[in-house]
Amino acid sequence: NAGVTQTPKFQVLKTGQSMTLQCAQDMNHEYMSWYRQDPGMGLRLIHYSVGAGITDQGEVPNGYNVSRSTTEDFPLRLLSAAPSQTSVYFCASSRDRPRNTEAFFGQGTRLTVV
Amino acid sequence: GESVGLHLPTLSVQEGDNSIINCAYSNSASDYFIWYKQESGKGPQFIIDIRSNMDKRQGQRVTVLLNKTVKHLSLQIAATQPGDSAVYFCAENSGGSNYKLTFGKGTLLTVNP
Repeated sequence: NAGVTQTPKFQVLKTGQSMTLQCAQDMNHEYMSWYRQDPGMGLRLIHYSVGAGITDQGEVPNGYNVSRSTTEDFPLRLLSAAPSQTSVYFCASSRDRPRNTEAFFGQGTRLTVV
Repeated sequence: GESVGLHLPTLSVQEGDNSIINCAYSNSASDYFIWYKQESGKGPQFIIDIRSNMDKRQGQRVTVLLNKTVKHLSLQIAATQPGDSAVYFCAENSGGSNYKLTFGKGTLLTVNP
């Protein structure tokens, strides 16, 4: 029972490099989201998806792109990494049920941009 | 904009004592309020939620209280154990949007043996 799997767990990038953070879930959840967590702060929503082919911006979308070609996968792309994107990134998935608020989170990707 | 905040950033308790973690919110339109636990190096884990039309909900060793008059949310942990040591976040969502949570800054709970 894998749940939400994020890769890689750690990554160091140079300013200006691009990369993709992978997220996969095996629970057939409709909803998927990306959050970033900075020291002393709660999680902030970057992008989210309510189903395959549908994505939208969250609170802090600048510098990130997403796509949702399948129900299982929701990759997050950094087009040109900046030091301000140094953070821990979490992917989450949840069901499309009004009464079920539980979101399942991955283990996180710790990204450092130098 | 709307926000969810916390009164105390850290809380230290003795093993066996009860813990109370507080949270203030400002979005009166939120449908649900949720508590998450985050252990070091891991992703947040769902603990319990409460719908906005309730004022109390109990789970296993945890109770969440909602006071809409003062926009206050609390998480009570009974007989706190060392395994409860973690950062606790309150979060809110509105319109059934499980994919769009607004998190508070978190409280670090330390349980002393």
